[in-house]
Formats: sequence, C-alpha cells, structure tokens
Amino acid sequence: EDKVVQSPLSLVVHEGDTVTLNCSYEVTNFRSLLWYKQEKKAPTFLFMLTSSGIEKKSGRLSSILDKKELSSILNITATQTGDSAIYLCAVFPPGGGSEKLVFGKGTKLTVNP
Amino acid sequence: DVKVTQSSRYLVKRTGEKVFLECVQDMDHENMFWYRQDPGLGLRLIYFSYDVKMKEKGDIPEGYSVSREKKERFSLILESASTNQTSMYLCASRSADSSYEQYFGPGTRLTVT
Repeated sequence: EDKVVQSPLSLVVHEGDTVTLNCSYEVTNFRSLLWYKQEKKAPTFLFMLTSSGIEKKSGRLSSILDKKELSSILNITATQTGDSAIYLCAVFPPGGGSEKLVFGKGTKLTVNP
Repeated sequence: DVKVTQSSRYLVKRTGEKVFLECVQDMDHENMFWYRQDPGLGLRLIYFSYDVKMKEKGDIPEGYSVSREKKERFSLILESASTNQTSMYLCASRSADSSYEQYFGPGTRLTVT
C-alpha cells in the first residue's frame, strides 16, 4: 500500500529558530513530491520536487529530495509567527498510474513570539 | 489568477438531510477531487473525476456520491448526512498535462447535528 509519513506530527518553536520537517514515502512509480502550507483554510502550494539532490528555495523556505532514501526535508530558517501552519507532503502518483496524490498527515508547526 | 471556489464556508445540517457541496474551478482543469480533513487523520480522498461524467472512488467513498455534469463543476453529495460526516471538506483541481500542482478551494466546514 502506498504511503507517505511525515514527522514530527507537531512542533513548537520560538521565533528565530530553524526547523526541519521530514517526509518519507513508499510508492511505486514515483514521479514527484509536493509540499503545501495550510493555514486556516486551503493548502497553498510551496514546492514540487522531481530530481534528487536539487534544492528548491523560496525566501526562508527550502526543500530537497533524496530518492535513495525515499524522503524529503523542508527547512524553514529564522522562523516567524506567520510560519505557523500545517505543512503537508504529497507524492504523485501512486501505483497503478492513477491521477491521485497520496498525502501525509501533516506536521503542525507552531511558532511562538 | 487560478481559482477554486466552494459554495459555502460553513454549513450546519441535521442528521438524515441530503447535503450538496459544490466546487467550481475556472482553470479548465480535467481533474477534480473531493477530500475530507480531520485532526489526526490528515487529508483523505473521497472521490475524484478525470473528465466530465467520469468519476472514481477514492479511499473513503462510503456515504458519499459525486456529480460532474460540466467540466468546471464537481459536486459532492451526502445522501443522508450523519454525525460522523462532520468534517472540513476540501475541493481541488489539477490539469491533466505535465503540471502536477493541485489547487485547493477554501474548504467547507460541515457540522451535522
């Protein structure tokens, strides 16, 4: 069965800290891994990773994929209270050539002032 | 600017009522999805559609049905609402071409009493 596991499930840090969120996966026919940020409403897209070892960066957020280890990390440096959210990892596609993403359960990040 | 809209942000229904949740996207996407999101369980796929009048069951289709009569609109139907269907419902859409990014609507928080 295809699955995506995120860790930790929740994390509380202080403003200015650096955090690393983990995502590991077991799927057949892996094509890409996606990260989303979800605040109070809809998840918003952060990154899509398809190649191992190539870092994607957006401001204080960065992410990298390791296909050998079947995992990805999402780093946030100098965290701010606005980074408080649920971070979702998803893998596309699962086995069988289906069009549906497989999501992890998310990591809930709380950044305290 | 891409847009996925859902008919209601908040909805309160009684047990046994028929409930319609509507989702509209303006990006001419072929694929549309309905998820429910519950604390500790993450996003779970209910149904998805890859074309007009086409649908496939997701991971938790029991108690739900869907309708896609037009490309831009995907409806989720709860034939007889039950309290265990109290949840956040998220609609999403995605193009069938090489872009794997999936866009989400703002969500409908449904309470069944």
